[in-house]
Amino acid sequence: QVQLVESGGGVVQPGRSLRLSCAASGISFSGYAMHWVRQAPGKGLEWVAVISYDGSSKFYADSVKGRFTLSRDNSKNTLLLQMNSLRADDTAFYYCAREISELLPGGMRLDRFDSWGQGTLVTVSS
Amino acid sequence: SSELTQDPAVSVALGQTVRITCQGDSLRSFYASWYQQKPGQAPILVIYGQNNRPSGIPDRFSGSSSGNTASLTITGAQAEDEADYYCNSRDIPGNHAWVFGGGTKLTVL
Repeated sequence: QVQLVESGGGVVQPGRSLRLSCAASGISFSGYAMHWVRQAPGKGLEWVAVISYDGSSKFYADSVKGRFTLSRDNSKNTLLLQMNSLRADDTAFYYCAREISELLPGGMRLDRFDSWGQGTLVTVSS
Repeated sequence: SSELTQDPAVSVALGQTVRITCQGDSLRSFYASWYQQKPGQAPILVIYGQNNRPSGIPDRFSGSSSGNTASLTITGAQAEDEADYYCNSRDIPGNHAWVFGGGTKLTVL
């Protein structure tokens, strides 16, 4: 079973930076797109960003575009999220999740996030 | 980006059947997946596609979809099913984002 473990969360002042890591074990994650999903305390899930299996494509939610950068090191089974210019509304638990996507006959895709980490809390506060 | 709309809260009597729905334009092009989240825990996948269950998920969980609506049904709800449930899909074609519904808090009475 794939195990994902996030780290790097903590308390940071507004405007500062933080880098989150997600380490995969149990199986190589190099063949899968990986996502970050966040959840503000007491709120719902919010999709943050996705990186393709080889790191060649990255897409971001409008709320983080231009401030967050996603990367991966497949040799180390590690996913990274560089968060710059942090704001109070970035305060949340950050989860990494593995995407499985299959193309079905007829063209529909069968997508899901089959594995999630336990999350790491980022608190942006002065 | 588009939105997925869920009822904020639903309740069901123990042993009865409950349906949780998710509506959005993206569901006309993409299947939804469903996640259960209990307090203090990470989400777990319970249903994906038209009606696919990961191993370990009880068969009382099922899914369906039609048009712009996806549904998660729990047949014979148990006390341990009390949780928040979120739907998710890719955003509308041409937008590479993904989107979550606002979540439905299920109470088992």
